[in-house]
Amino acid sequence: DGGITQSPKYLFRKEGQNVTLSCEQNLNHDAMYWYRQDPGQGLRLIYYSQIVNDFQKGDIAEGYSVSREKKESFPLTVTSAQKNPTAFYLCASSTSQREVRTGELFFGEGSRLTVL
Amino acid sequence: AQKVTQAQTEISVVEKEDVTLDCVYETRDTTYYLFWYKQPPSGELVFLIRRNSFDEQNEISGRYSWNFQKSTSSFNFTITASQVVDSAVYFCALRGRGGSNYKLTFGKGTLLTVNP
Repeated sequence: DGGITQSPKYLFRKEGQNVTLSCEQNLNHDAMYWYRQDPGQGLRLIYYSQIVNDFQKGDIAEGYSVSREKKESFPLTVTSAQKNPTAFYLCASSTSQREVRTGELFFGEGSRLTVL
Repeated sequence: AQKVTQAQTEISVVEKEDVTLDCVYETRDTTYYLFWYKQPPSGELVFLIRRNSFDEQNEISGRYSWNFQKSTSSFNFTITASQVVDSAVYFCALRGRGGSNYKLTFGKGTLLTVNP
């Protein structure tokens, strides 16, 4: 079945360590996104990519980095510069074709990161 | 700037009651798209509906209905005869149309608990 796979589902990190969250999609979608969810804060956009080898900062990109070397993959690295990394991270994808510009997002099941 | 407000943080109802989730939005775009997503305890967001700004026709899908009113910038969601399986966090979201703005702006979500 087509969908988005995020791993790991749960991750613990010590302060000062970088960690990379994986996001893979087999939907053949051009665009991919990373959102952060905190209790009572809704979803906030970290980074998004509309095409391979290109990505843009979202609203809260500081302390995060991404790459988009393949269409199927959009990994997110949470660096030690991120002051409050403990959160639930959601990856999403959509088609950005001109005629389907209003397409909804398809989400993975999320990765919960806890900094000890 | 775009903004989505879901004033109800939490709602608790008894099974078979009707419940309405409120959503108010702000945008300067004349063309925009509104969405509702459901987030069950498993974590992933599930798309429920998309509405274009130029289509104010209300929609019904089974026990779900949506009331879109441009005059009040609202896009409310009603669940009729609620069931325990409806318990989830519900997000309202807005997508503009200008330039490279393909990203969604989410409200903070409403936690709906349906008690048996």
